Amino acid sequence: GDSVTQMEGPVTLSEEAFLTINCTYTATGYPSLFWYVQYPGEGLQLLLKATKADDKGSNKGFEATYRKETTSFHLEKGSVQVSDSAVYFCALSHPGNNRKLIWGLGTSLAVNP
Amino acid sequence: GAGVSQSPSNKVTEKGKDVELRCDPISGHTALYWYRQRLGQGLEFLIYFQGNSAPDKSGLPSDRFSAERTGESVSTLTIQRTQQEDSAVYLCASSLGTSGSHEQFFGPGTRLTVL
Repeated sequence: GDSVTQMEGPVTLSEEAFLTINCTYTATGYPSLFWYVQYPGEGLQLLLKATKADDKGSNKGFEATYRKETTSFHLEKGSVQVSDSAVYFCALSHPGNNRKLIWGLGTSLAVNP
Repeated sequence: GAGVSQSPSNKVTEKGKDVELRCDPISGHTALYWYRQRLGQGLEFLIYFQGNSAPDKSGLPSDRFSAERTGESVSTLTIQRTQQEDSAVYLCASSLGTSGSHEQFFGPGTRLTVL
């Protein structure tokens, strides 16, 4: 079945450092790919998405490119801020599978001033 | 309403008791999903409702779990004879449907603790 694997945390960075959180997937066909974020004390919210190969999703300075050849959707940000401290989840869905989300385990990010 | 709401926010129950969790989706959202997140594990899909179609129950872990949805509004997830392994955060999400942007909007979750 479909699955998502993302790098384990916790990840600790200093402010203005470069961030990469790796995400790879196993799926048939052409799933849509997502990054969700959960800030402390808040609910899950969509950060960015990509629906086809080579698409780049971007939001709040974060980017991720849908790479079909490597089955990856790595999350990157050039300069993190303390306010980016959160748990990040990679997920996929298929239109033919009711678009239910298949999730990675989540990566906790702590950014220190 | 502004977003997806869930109640209660926290529920502590004794093993063997039944519990009912409630989800109010965003008005106009035809699709509704239930997920759960157990400690140290990723989110797991439980059940999906879309309009008047038969629900997708493929993620329900046992027959102790059931869910209902009234039209395109409130949904309740019921767990009968709760077990300690049912302890988790139960999340509800809604979306406009499975076409278009299909972004799922999540509620704050219900934290269930089974003693």
